[in-house]
Amino acid sequence: EAGVTQFPSHSVIEKGQTVTLRCDPISGHDNLYWYRRVMGKEIKFLLHFVKESKQDESGMPNNRFLAERTGGTYSTLKVQPAELEDSGVYFCASSRALGTEAFFGQGTRLTVV
Amino acid sequence: GENVEQHPSTLSVQEGDSAVIKCTYSDSASNYFPWYKQELGKRPQLIIDIRSNVGEKKDQRIAVTLNKTAKHFSLHITETQPEDSAVYFCAASSGSGGGADGLTFGKGTHLIIQP
Repeated sequence: EAGVTQFPSHSVIEKGQTVTLRCDPISGHDNLYWYRRVMGKEIKFLLHFVKESKQDESGMPNNRFLAERTGGTYSTLKVQPAELEDSGVYFCASSRALGTEAFFGQGTRLTVV
Repeated sequence: GENVEQHPSTLSVQEGDSAVIKCTYSDSASNYFPWYKQELGKRPQLIIDIRSNVGEKKDQRIAVTLNKTAKHFSLHITETQPEDSAVYFCAASSGSGGGADGLTFGKGTHLIIQP
């Protein structure tokens, strides 16, 4: 089966611009998670979708970040306007059920200059 | 919320020796504890996981132990090989559907296997 795919793999944007990251989870996985790793630090939870519903968005840093999962399939994470501190690697993961293995995508490396 | 502490941040061992990485967690509701291995430039991949109803789990050279009372769990790698070199992350979650099912990760341990 295909794994979790993320697009783009890299993105370099200027401060103040908008960027949209996309994640395609494994087919049939209702649970979709976004994580972020900034400057080699720990991987931090951003939010969790169950199908199209936001189950937990307690990790979203501020209202410049907007995540959607229309139709319960792929998800997008939009950063608008981007700030320098948003630079990092954004990972998406999906799992079939709660408390089961989460499969990670390869991440999107975002650089804000 | 959950807080996961991981030690050491860097671990260098001789090839063939054992490596142990330790993590503590704060939320007694956490009941699922996976370990991820991330090689340079690649995605984190699950190598082993344990649930709170089990004290130990082993898979070939890798084992994980869990002490729920003390709220700590450890990763043990025996007979280390060069391909074990990577960053290892421990994580915890409640997995109960109570709105905190995302993984809380430790800061990672850079394991270096010296030839």
